[in-house]
Amino acid sequence: GQQLNQSPQSMFIQEGEDVSMNCTSSSIFNTWLWYKQEPGEGPVLLIALYKAGELTSNGRLTAQFGITRKDSFLNISASIPSDVGIYFCAGQLSGSARQLTFGSGTQLTVLP
Amino acid sequence: KAGVTQTPRYLIKTRGQQVTLSCSPISGHRSVSWYQQTPGQGLQFLFEYFSETQRNKGNFPGRFSGRQFSNSRSEMNVSTLELGDSALYLCASGGTGQNEQFFGPGTRLTVL
Repeated sequence: GQQLNQSPQSMFIQEGEDVSMNCTSSSIFNTWLWYKQEPGEGPVLLIALYKAGELTSNGRLTAQFGITRKDSFLNISASIPSDVGIYFCAGQLSGSARQLTFGSGTQLTVLP
Repeated sequence: KAGVTQTPRYLIKTRGQQVTLSCSPISGHRSVSWYQQTPGQGLQFLFEYFSETQRNKGNFPGRFSGRQFSNSRSEMNVSTLELGDSALYLCASGGTGQNEQFFGPGTRLTVL
């Protein structure tokens, strides 16, 4: 089946630092979504991207839809303790209705 | 607007039993997708329903089934439970516009 390669798998950063994570695929996606999941909860949608090259921000978060449509990245600026969680990328193939293919997640730890 | 609700939040069953999980999407949303989340396999797509019709199905055995009602509420059923079915089952709600999907808190199923 389709696979998304998400990296890094985990990150330990100091409060105030910037963070970057990315996802790559061998398939072309027409939508990229970025989610954050905290323990015991479902994933929360952070940013949605719909066009190649699109750059979208949501507060301290910025994500881009790669030009080739096979990759996406998420940046978090000036990290704070509440940024702790697992971040997932998810891609949707053209013609796949609402089926999402998920990356394996990036576990983010913010040290005070 | 109320979010996606899932019931029950926790379930403990034994091997061989069956289970039914329920999901109520965001008001006005007609698409409901189901995902299984496990530490080993991550988030995997089960199926998607739209206006009471299954539009897409993931690579799961026939023991996993679902349905959607006229009010868009959805249920998924797992028959003849196996130990490997222990997982967090998530449903996602989607509107008719962009491809954003919003997840519920999940149902934690433990099979003993």
